[in-house]
Amino acid sequence: GQNIDQPTEMTATEGAIVQINCTYQTSGFNGLFWYQQHAGEAPTFLSYNVLDGLEEKGRFSSFLSRSKGYSYLLLKELQMKDSASYLCAVSYNNNDMRFGAGTRLTVKP
Amino acid sequence: ETGVTQTPRHLVMGMTNKKSLKCEQHLGHNAMYWYKQSAKKPLELMFVYSLEERVENNSVPSRFSPECPNSSHLFLHLHTLQPEDSALYLCASSQDLAGGLVENIQYFGAGTRLSVL
Repeated sequence: GQNIDQPTEMTATEGAIVQINCTYQTSGFNGLFWYQQHAGEAPTFLSYNVLDGLEEKGRFSSFLSRSKGYSYLLLKELQMKDSASYLCAVSYNNNDMRFGAGTRLTVKP
Repeated sequence: ETGVTQTPRHLVMGMTNKKSLKCEQHLGHNAMYWYKQSAKKPLELMFVYSLEERVENNSVPSRFSPECPNSSHLFLHLHTLQPEDSALYLCASSQDLAGGLVENIQYFGAGTRLSVL
């Protein structure tokens, strides 16, 4: 199968940096997406990676290594409002989109 | 506000009831999706529609019946559900099904929290 693996839960301190990892099956890979989902709300698109390297968007960055089947989402200068679930999703050939179970991030004062 | 609206937000139904979930997108997208989200599990893709035609049905039980009357609206008709069907049901849309990744970015509604008693 095409499992997407990410940690279930993480905790970090306000103002700190946190890295959320995601690993996936590489066969048929097209691209990788990160979504943020606050409790009771819609998942919202954060970023996508097609090529190897780092994509930066303000406090959020996403990294991809296609050969290793590995990505991470980096959140800097954490704020309390960053407490949410972060979903890693991979687009495979034939428009097949697979999601991970999500990483629940708790930001503490 | 993501441009995708789902109603109702919460639904409680008995196993013999018939109900429908509604999704409307105001983004001018051509593709729409139904997902099931259970606690601590990955999003499960249920149905995919492109230009009002169903293109994917991931072995979903027949007690779930989708309907796409036009490219802006998507329904999920429910009948004789089981307690294990209790979950958050998410609707999403994307500009297109095929094409570059930008066109495949999915925009989600806030979901319908379904409880089957």
